[in-house]
Amino acid sequence: EDKVVQSPLSLVVHEGDTVTLNCSYEVTNFRSLLWYKQEKKAPTFLFMLTSSGIEKKSGRLSSILDKKELFSILNITATQTGDSAIYLCAGTTSGTYKYIFGTGTRLKVLA
Amino acid sequence: DTGVSQDPRHKITKRGQNVTFRCDPISEHNRLYWYRQTLGQGPEFLTYFQNEAQLEKSRLLSDRFSAERPKGSFSTLEIQRTEQGDSAMYLCASSRGGAAAGTEAFFGQGTRLTVV
Repeated sequence: EDKVVQSPLSLVVHEGDTVTLNCSYEVTNFRSLLWYKQEKKAPTFLFMLTSSGIEKKSGRLSSILDKKELFSILNITATQTGDSAIYLCAGTTSGTYKYIFGTGTRLKVLA
Repeated sequence: DTGVSQDPRHKITKRGQNVTFRCDPISEHNRLYWYRQTLGQGPEFLTYFQNEAQLEKSRLLSDRFSAERPKGSFSTLEIQRTEQGDSAMYLCASSRGGAAAGTEAFFGQGTRLTVV
């Protein structure tokens, strides 16, 4: 069965720290991996990764995919309290458009 | 607001009652998804539509659950004879179709269902 596993489950850091969130996947006919940020209700889109080794960046956030080792990381540099959220990782497969989500990493950034 | 819209935002119902939720996707999106999320878990896939066609349903979707997207625009999710285990956040999402690599889905604010 397809699955996505995220680690750590939760993380507490101080403002200014750099964090790395991990996502490993076992997805048949893998197509893409997506990262979302969920603060209160709606997950908001961060990145979609389809190719190995190509880093995607948006401000202080960056992400990269390793299709050989079947994992992705999400880096957040110079964390701020506004980064506190649950970060969700999801895999997609060819032939279907459903997303298979991990349980998420709950990040808390302390002032 | 041109995002995904869900209604109602909260619903409290007694066990055994039927409930219906509505989702209005982003207007140019032809794919629409329903997910369920419980505390401490990631969203679980329930079903998705491409235009008005329901292309996939999860095994999680028992026969008490039904979803429709009659004109390929808004969608409804109905739960009949609700049970306490149905208490969850029901998320709707939409995405554009057509790209071979898939496109990102945008989520609505969700409907929080509490069955008492």
